[in-house]
Amino acid sequence: QSALTQPASVSGSPGQSITISCTGTSNDVGGYKYVSWYQQHPGKAPKLMIYDVSYRPSGVSNRFSGSKSGNTASLTISGLHAEDEADYYCSSYTGSSAPYVFGTGTKVTVL
Amino acid sequence: QVQLVESGGGVVQPGRSLRLSCTASGFTFSTYAIHWVRQAPGKGLEWVALISSDGSTEDYADSVKGRFTISRDNSKNTLYLQMNSLRAEDTAVYYCARDIVGGESEWGQGTLVTVSS
Repeated sequence: QSALTQPASVSGSPGQSITISCTGTSNDVGGYKYVSWYQQHPGKAPKLMIYDVSYRPSGVSNRFSGSKSGNTASLTISGLHAEDEADYYCSSYTGSSAPYVFGTGTKVTVL
Repeated sequence: QVQLVESGGGVVQPGRSLRLSCTASGFTFSTYAIHWVRQAPGKGLEWVALISSDGSTEDYADSVKGRFTISRDNSKNTLYLQMNSLRAEDTAVYYCARDIVGGESEWGQGTLVTVSS
């Protein structure tokens, strides 16, 4: 199972919006609603930001939103804050014998 | 509150074995499938293994299949990962996690495994 493809880095200024893509296939991202997004600060465990493509867990800012079109899922961060600077990973259910896969990860830099 | 605490990491020589543990609290452990996910130094997340809530079903990444075994003891609220024939490329922080694609996702703080001679 190959990792889902994400851009290595995305940057933006405070207050701007950025979008991170996560491209898979019809066997993972395109085939199921089970796509999630994680934020990871250095030395910390990943934190769930979005699940089931577009749902936010309780406590996560509404500046974070998710969507999906075909085999590509996206995470949008609106009104960028300094504390949003972190690594972001998508993940998807695959339905195969190795049923879960993560994306390659995207480093978000707040300029 | 929900807690997952990994232990058992350390430095081990190539070819040797190591067993990781993950102790859960704050939720009904026996009703959740649990995952192991790892992250090599400076690298991304890699899904490793999954065990069903009752322990009857296991799934593995191709990179560890045949070498790693996931198991659980619901009476002790504990998850295990038996790692055999360890290789340098198994060096990583190992996380246990609940519901990695759903709204009830919870992760431990991780335990570092270093495979080196």
